Amino acid sequence: GDSVTQMEGPVTLSEEAFLTINCTYTATGYPSLFWYVQYPGEGLQLLLKATKADDKGSNKGFEATYRKETTSFHLEKGSVQVSDSAVYFCALRETSGSRLTFGEGTQLTVNP
Amino acid sequence: KAGVTQTPRYLIKTRGQQVTLSCSPISGHRSVSWYQQTPGQGLQFLFEYFSETQRNKGNFPGRFSGRQFSNSRSEMNVSTLELGDSALYLCASSFIPGASTDTQYFGPGTRLTVL
Repeated sequence: GDSVTQMEGPVTLSEEAFLTINCTYTATGYPSLFWYVQYPGEGLQLLLKATKADDKGSNKGFEATYRKETTSFHLEKGSVQVSDSAVYFCALRETSGSRLTFGEGTQLTVNP
Repeated sequence: KAGVTQTPRYLIKTRGQQVTLSCSPISGHRSVSWYQQTPGQGLQFLFEYFSETQRNKGNFPGRFSGRQFSNSRSEMNVSTLELGDSALYLCASSFIPGASTDTQYFGPGTRLTVL
């Protein structure tokens, strides 16, 4: 079945550092890929998405490119802020239907 | 436009009891999905409803059930609660399930504690 693997956390960075969170997937067909973020005590917020190969999703300085050849969707940000501290989830949606399959989540802490 | 709302936000029950959680989707969205989030198992898909019909179901026991009403609001029910059912239950809604541009938007969740 479909699966998503994220880099193990937690990740601790200093403010203005470069962020990469790796995400790879296994799926049949052509899934859509997503990054969601969860702040303490809250639900999931959509951060960005990509629906086909070579698409780049971007939002709030975060970017991720759908790489079919490496089955990856790595999340990057050039300069993180303290307010970016949260848990980040990579997810895929199967080709047909709405079911999301999530990675384990990566806890990011940004120190001032 | 209002987001996905879930009630109640917090719930404490004892083993053996049953519980009903409610979810109101974003206006115009007709698909509602439910997920369970626990520290050990992460985020797991429970089921999806569209136009009052269950379209998809995850690998959970029959104690977990759901339904959707004609106004797209959805409820999930857990009977004979077990300690392991303690979790954050998240509801997500979307406009056109299965479409390539379909995106699920999540509510704040209901935190269920089973004692």
